[in-house]
Amino acid sequence: DAGITQSPRYKITETGRQVTLMCHQTWSHSYMFWYRQDLGHGLRLIYYSAAADITDKGEVPDGYVVSRSKTENFPLTLESATRSQTSVYFCASSEGQSYGYTFGSGTRLTVV
Amino acid sequence: DQQVKQNSPSLSVQEGRISILNCDYTNSMFDYFLWYKKYPAEGPTFLISISSIKDKNEDGRFTVFLNKSAKHLSLHIVPSQPGDSAVYFCAASKGSQGNLIFGKGTKLSVKP
Repeated sequence: DAGITQSPRYKITETGRQVTLMCHQTWSHSYMFWYRQDLGHGLRLIYYSAAADITDKGEVPDGYVVSRSKTENFPLTLESATRSQTSVYFCASSEGQSYGYTFGSGTRLTVV
Repeated sequence: DQQVKQNSPSLSVQEGRISILNCDYTNSMFDYFLWYKKYPAEGPTFLISISSIKDKNEDGRFTVFLNKSAKHLSLHIVPSQPGDSAVYFCAASKGSQGNLIFGKGTKLSVKP
């Protein structure tokens, strides 16, 4: 199926654990993005990628790592999860940096 | 420092009436504006956009107005329907090299 998929949909992890959120798109869009949504903050950009092997920080990158070895995949890793990283994470892709983005359905992450 | 502001966290409207959602921005370099709609447990979906060379864009029941001198845009939904109940995010970008900057969102409730 064409589109953008995120996995898992829900994840509970413990403080200090490493966790990776997956994002896969089938359109061959150049740009991919990771956002987090928190009450009172809206959508905040964590990292983005303009192409394979090109990534850059967004507004709130601390505690996160990304990679993009293939155009279609853009995993987000929390190296040592903290409770403040409890959030809903959205991946998005786009043909251009400021074109309309297409979002995935999100991953709800709870860090206990 | 918020560059895109949605000052009303929530809005309640009667079915059939007009819904007006407002958005203010501070960066005069922004030249492309979008509205996204988000239902619970889903990712945001693109609704309508407007370029800074226009002051109005219409798509069915949805119209976006842009007032560059006031750095203000609004989304009008006429007539409002219960299915329009969702969180609406305003977003802006500057040129083709800027990422989308999102506001915090406004939760619209349309009462039958």
